[in-house]
Amino acid sequence: GENVEQHPSTLSVQEGDSAVIKCTYSDSASNYFPWYKQELGKGPQLIIDIRSNVGEKKDQRIAVTLNKTAKHFSLHITETQPEDSAVYFCAASYSGGGADGLTFGKGTHLIIQP
Amino acid sequence: DADVTQTPRNRITKTGKRIMLECSQTKGHDRMYWYRQDPGLGLRLIYYSFDVKDINKGEISDGYSVSRQAQAKFSLSLESAIPNQTALYFCATGSLSGIGGELFFGEGSRLTVL
Repeated sequence: GENVEQHPSTLSVQEGDSAVIKCTYSDSASNYFPWYKQELGKGPQLIIDIRSNVGEKKDQRIAVTLNKTAKHFSLHITETQPEDSAVYFCAASYSGGGADGLTFGKGTHLIIQP
Repeated sequence: DADVTQTPRNRITKTGKRIMLECSQTKGHDRMYWYRQDPGLGLRLIYYSFDVKDINKGEISDGYSVSRQAQAKFSLSLESAIPNQTALYFCATGSLSGIGGELFFGEGSRLTVL
């Protein structure tokens, strides 16, 4: 099955600086890579996703890049703000038959220092 | 009202007791999932269902069972709870679509087994 590794487990950055979270996956058949943000006391919520036919996607201050050859993808947050403090999960899946559901990384606790 | 509702939100029980966690959704989605979250381990899939007549085991189904009572309802049962089932449980829904697709999570059910 798929295995997703996520680093770092904790990331502390100064407000206004950039944050980068990296993930690798094992199954070359995976073709969908979402990122979820979990605020304290809430369920995870999708913030951005990328499909295997695209190398980069941006949405305001967040961006995701995908390197299919190396089987890794990254989340980039620029101009970090206090409300960016949360746990972030990367995930991977293959859709096209067989097992379903996302395989998640173990999460990154992002701390924005004032 | 929340699109994905989990009950109870918090439950403390004793070893050997039967516990049911319930999930209902108003999104009209076909797919429903139960995930378990443990600190440092991320989100792991317990069971998932594509429709009322379809139930599939996930990564960590041992010790759990599920019932899809209707398209909108998916319950998770622990027949005889044990302390290592203490965790935060999330229900999620998704729609049948092409490659991948967003999951919508409930706010979680925190279970403590003494």
